[in-house]
This record gives sequence, C-alpha cells and structure tokens, in this order.
Amino acid sequence: NAGVTQTPKFQVLKTGQSMTLQCAQDMNHNSMYWYRQDPGMGLRLIYYSASEGTTDKGEVPNGYNVSRLNKREFSLRLESAAPSQTSVYFCASSELFFRGPPMNTEAFFGQGTRLTVV
Amino acid sequence: AQKVTQAQTEISVVEKEDVTLDCVYETRDTTYYLFWYKQPPSGELVFLIRRNSFDEQNEISGRYSWNFQKSTSSFNFTITASQVVDSAVYFCALNNNNAGNMLTFGGGTRLMVKP
Repeated sequence: NAGVTQTPKFQVLKTGQSMTLQCAQDMNHNSMYWYRQDPGMGLRLIYYSASEGTTDKGEVPNGYNVSRLNKREFSLRLESAAPSQTSVYFCASSELFFRGPPMNTEAFFGQGTRLTVV
Repeated sequence: AQKVTQAQTEISVVEKEDVTLDCVYETRDTTYYLFWYKQPPSGELVFLIRRNSFDEQNEISGRYSWNFQKSTSSFNFTITASQVVDSAVYFCALNNNNAGNMLTFGGGTRLMVKP
C-alpha cells in the first residue's frame, strides 16, 4: 500500500534552474495538494486540485506551476528556482464522499521533498 | 476565506504534565472538517483525528482528547500525562467543501516534553 509517493526526496538546484516535483497517489482520491513547509511558518498551500482537470491557487502560488496529469498524478514545477524556494515540499491527497452526509477523509501525505536552491 | 490559528508556537512541559494545544478557525461555511496532525522529528505527518462540523461531541483516545466548540470556533487538543515521545509539532487543519476542498493548516505548535 504505497499511499502518496513523492519524488525526489532531496534536490539541490542552482538559482535559475527548473525542476518538476512528482507526486502520485494510489487511493483513487479526487483532491490533491502541494504544500511547502518552512521553519516557523507551518504548512502553506501552494496549489490544489479538487478533481482531475481542475487546479486552483493556494496561499503562496507565485513562482510555481502545477499539472494534474490524471487522477493519480499531480506535479509541481519550479520554472526558475530562487533561494526563497528553499523548503520542504509535501504532496497530499484526500477524498470527499457524498454517500449520505458529506464526509471528508483525512489528507494522506507523501514523505516530503527537501529542496535547496543555492 | 478560511483560516486556522494556533497561537502557541512553542510549549515546554515536564513529563506527566497535562498540556492543551489551542486551535481557532475561521470559515463562512456550515459544512467543514477539522483535523489534527502530528509531525515528529522524523518529519512525516501523522493523522490524529477528524471531526466534521455536525459533530460537536468531544473525543477521547487513550491519553489524547479533543474539545470541539462551534460557539467559539475552537478545536483544542489535550494530552494527558505527557510523555517524551509526544514531543513533536502539532498541526490543526480545516477542510471546506465549498472552497473546492481546500485544506488549510495552522502554523503549528511545537511541543517539547522534558523527562
């Protein structure tokens, strides 16, 4: 049972380089999320996708793009990395059920990607 | 807009003390979900509890208990007889159906339990 898988686990980039963080979930969830975690700042939402084919900005979207490739995969792209994007990135997924009263599952998280931009 | 506030950034207690972590949320919607997560030093996020807006019953799970009060928009978490293994960062989160299922976290409370 893999759950949410993120790659890579660690990455060092030079300023101006680009990269894509990959995320895949095997729980058939509709909703997927990308967060960044910085010391003392908690988890801040970058982008989310409520369902396949939709994406929306979160709290800190500047400098990032996302693609919901299919129901399983949600990637995060840094087009031109900056030192301010040094952070730990988490992907997550959850599901909202409408059988009876709406019920939301908890979010399941990947292990995180530690990104350093020098 | 939705917002979660965890006013306590750091709490330090001695083992066996009880400790309460505060969480206050803001949302305009009547249907929403509240969560607590634990992040131990290893870094992963561990789900602790989910509560929906229709269920104000308090919950107890071993040494953990949660107090949900809609009147004050609070969802507080109490650890009874704390242990060193409880040392972690704890996050409260809010999920709102009408905001495209957006999940918003508070800033987290770092709990340090000293032996």
